[in-house]
Amino acid sequence: NAGVTQTPKFQVLKTGQSMTLQCAQDMNHNSMYWYRQDPGMGLRLIYYSASEGTTDKGEVPNGYNVSRLNKREFSLRLESAAPSQTSVYFCASIVGGKYGYTFGSGTRLTVV
Amino acid sequence: AQRVTQPEKLLSVFKGAPVELKCNYSYSGSPELFWYVQYSRQRLQLLLRHISRESIKGFTADLNKGETSFHLKKPFAQEEDSAMYYCALSSGGSNYKLTFGKGTLLTVNP
Repeated sequence: NAGVTQTPKFQVLKTGQSMTLQCAQDMNHNSMYWYRQDPGMGLRLIYYSASEGTTDKGEVPNGYNVSRLNKREFSLRLESAAPSQTSVYFCASIVGGKYGYTFGSGTRLTVV
Repeated sequence: AQRVTQPEKLLSVFKGAPVELKCNYSYSGSPELFWYVQYSRQRLQLLLRHISRESIKGFTADLNKGETSFHLKKPFAQEEDSAMYYCALSSGGSNYKLTFGKGTLLTVNP
């Protein structure tokens, strides 16, 4: 049972390059989320998808776009990477509040 | 706006000592509160939620609405408790968005 799978695990980008972070869950969860984790800042919500076909901005959406491709997959795209986007990115999903989030293992992104 | 405050970035205790990780929140409605834990090189995982009033790995947390707090406690810390702990608040509804605190790194010394 894979849970939430994120790819890649590590990535180095040059400023201005683009990339897509992939996230897939096999638990038939409705809601999916992208957070970034920065030292001293905790986790901040970038975008979320409450259900298939919907996406909404979170606390720090600037510089990112998302796609809820189907119920399983929720991707995060950086169109023109900036050093301020150096972070660890976590994808999460949830079936209901009672059970809490299931997190992926994270993607460590460095923008130089 | 909702906010979660974890006043201690770092907390260091000795094995067998009691530990309390503080969490205060700001929210005008009826909150749902959680503690998440991240062990070294592992993914974040749910530790406990206030609604279940359970004890997980010896940890408990009580919601105090008067003090707007949800402190995490354990009477006797173990070395394997060393981890980053995050308090999180959900405003409810159907989107289950969580607002996280900045985290407390707990180190339990032998």
